[in-house]
Amino acid sequence: DTGVSQDPRHKITKRGQNVTFRCDPISEHNRLYWYRQTLGQGPEFLTYFQNEAQLEKSRLLSDRFSAERPKGSFSTLEIQRTEQGDSAMYLCASSRPDYNSPLHFGNGTRLTVT
Amino acid sequence: AQSVSQHNHHVILSEAASLELGCNYSYGGTVNLFWYVQYPGQHLQLLLKYFSGDPLVKGIKGFEAEFIKSKFSFNLRKPSVQWSDTAEYFCAVTDKAAGNKLTFGGGTRVLVKP
Repeated sequence: DTGVSQDPRHKITKRGQNVTFRCDPISEHNRLYWYRQTLGQGPEFLTYFQNEAQLEKSRLLSDRFSAERPKGSFSTLEIQRTEQGDSAMYLCASSRPDYNSPLHFGNGTRLTVT
Repeated sequence: AQSVSQHNHHVILSEAASLELGCNYSYGGTVNLFWYVQYPGQHLQLLLKYFSGDPLVKGIKGFEAEFIKSKFSFNLRKPSVQWSDTAEYFCAVTDKAAGNKLTFGGGTRVLVKP
């Protein structure tokens, strides 16, 4: 179990730029989740995949956000035309598909939009 | 939709003091309940979980939590804290309709003074 890996750890970008984050889940986990966490708040669900299928997207996920998991392994989260309000920690988690399987989180990518 | 509330945003304790963190959730059906911990600079880690059975669950590092269905509560306790328990603690819930998708509370930041 090498854990959930996220890259980069930190990203500073100017407003209006596009950014992409990567998540590598635990290898035997076929569910992958993206969460966003802002200062003083708990993580908020954005979207999740089972294998390559994106099964649910939160209303928080505006049209500027897109997530993919093309081969059912790693996932990318892209934010287009970033805004200052996008500044947050973006967390990735993975799990087995059974209902009782807990989520394992990565260290997150901290995005700062200037 | 699920919601989770944690009563205290910040708690400051001295070593050897007892800790209790409150958590209430909104859903009236069958739920799975979790406490996650985030130590400074580290990723979210599972502290303990409740799925069914004995409502008093024991987790790692001497933590325990009690599920009280009638009160929609899942409070976290530790009889005697250590400086190393300084962290942010998150309560989370999922229900069968949500699959493994977690809804988190806002977190409680705990500072243990040596």
